[in-house]
Amino acid sequence: NAGVTQTPKFRVLKTGQSMTLLCAQDMNHEYMYWYRQDPGMGLRLIHYSVGEGTTAKGEVPDGYNVSRLKKQNFLLGLESAAPSQTSVYFCASSLHRGLAGEGDTQYFGPGTRLTVL
Amino acid sequence: SQQGEEDPQALSIQEGENATMNCSYKTSINNLQWYRQNSGRGLVHLILIRSNEREKHSGRLRVTLDTSKKSSSLLITASRAADTASYFCATGGAQKLVFGQGTRLTINP
Repeated sequence: NAGVTQTPKFRVLKTGQSMTLLCAQDMNHEYMYWYRQDPGMGLRLIHYSVGEGTTAKGEVPDGYNVSRLKKQNFLLGLESAAPSQTSVYFCASSLHRGLAGEGDTQYFGPGTRLTVL
Repeated sequence: SQQGEEDPQALSIQEGENATMNCSYKTSINNLQWYRQNSGRGLVHLILIRSNEREKHSGRLRVTLDTSKKSSSLLITASRAADTASYFCATGGAQKLVFGQGTRLTINP
C-alpha cells in the first residue's frame, strides 16, 4: 500500500495563476482532508470530505475549492493564487467514525510545498 | 481557532532523559490523539486515548488524560536522537480533528 500520496511535491506559482493539488489514498478511507501548515504553526483545516461526492468547509476555506469525484481522490484547487497562500499543504484520510474512536486516526501524505510569488 | 494548546512550545533535553509535553483543550472530546512530525514530513499518528480512559501506553510512550482539567500529557521515556520532532495533540469533534500548534522537541546527543 502506498498510503496517502500527493502530487506535486513542490510548486512555484505567480500571483493570479491557478493550480490543482492531487491527493490519492489506497486504504478505502471514507474521510479525506486538506490542511495548510505555515512556519511554526499547527495544521489548519481548509476543506474536508466525508464521502465521495461530498465536501465541506474547514477553518480557512477562502481562496480554495475542492472536489471528491472518486472515493480515493481529493483535489484542492487554487483559482487565483495569492502570496498569502504560500504554505505547505497536507492531505490526510481516515477510515470513518463509529469504531469507538479508532476510525478517527488520520493518515497523512508527505506534503506539497507551494510558493506564490 | 485552536482547540488544543501544547506546552511547552519548545523543549531541549539530553539523550536518555525523559520528555514530557502537555496539551490543554477547551471543549468536551470523544478522544485525543498525539501525532509526530519530523522536519519537512507529514504527520504520523502515535497514540489515541478515548475520553473514558485515563492512561495509555505504547512502547516508550505514555499518555494521560484528565477530562476534569481538560488536559493531556505525553511522556517519552529514554529519549533518542530519532525522537527529535514536533509533537501535536489533536482533539476529535464531529467528522474532523483540530490540531494544536505543537511542541518542538530536540534531543541532544
